[in-house]
Amino acid sequence: DIQMTQSPSAMSASVGDRVTITCRASRDVDRFLAWFQQKPGRVPKRLIYTISTLQSGVPSRFSGSGSGTEFTLTISSLQPEDFATYFCLQHKSYPLTFGGGTKVEI
Amino acid sequence: QVQLQQWGAGLLKPSETLSLTCAVSGGSFSDHFWSWIRQPPGKGLEWIGEINHSGNTNYNPSLKSRVTISVDTSKNHYSLKLTSVTAADTGEYFCARVNYGDVDYWGQGTLVTVSS
Repeated sequence: DIQMTQSPSAMSASVGDRVTITCRASRDVDRFLAWFQQKPGRVPKRLIYTISTLQSGVPSRFSGSGSGTEFTLTISSLQPEDFATYFCLQHKSYPLTFGGGTKVEI
Repeated sequence: QVQLQQWGAGLLKPSETLSLTCAVSGGSFSDHFWSWIRQPPGKGLEWIGEINHSGNTNYNPSLKSRVTISVDTSKNHYSLKLTSVTAADTGEYFCARVNYGDVDYWGQGTLVTVSS
């Protein structure tokens, strides 16, 4: 299985902050990397796919980058509605595997 | 607009079989794989497996011995069965559409609790 290691697992931030979350894969996942946002009691919402493609309707303050085994989700200016948990997903090979999550708190 | 509506029993005793169904509306059922994903309380997401309209499946090896995913193309439904459940199987279960390997649309989730 490809292991996805996210860091940090939790962080405190303020409105307006630039936030960076990292996901490291145990081996190359090519471009098959997506990011999700999940709020408590809610269904995960896809933000970004194929490393850097923004899902329709997602604000442009979200961006993704990286290649191979290291990937980054950046929120350029944190907004109140962005306080949530973020997960990465690799779909390069079976079984699909998710990162452990990063909880972004006030 | 693609919608996934899921249902199934939410309270099970150890050793029972978990059974969930997901109904798909909108989009093309035959163009995608359809997956199940679960999330233990307060933890991360775990991919369980997937199926397409032809019945081709892929399962997570960690659960493969206990999992069956089936499809009913006449209703655009697919189902999950997980046998011999234990407390470790407690969590939120989601159905979700697979799009080019990625997951885009999700069901609303079903909380399954395993307790004696």
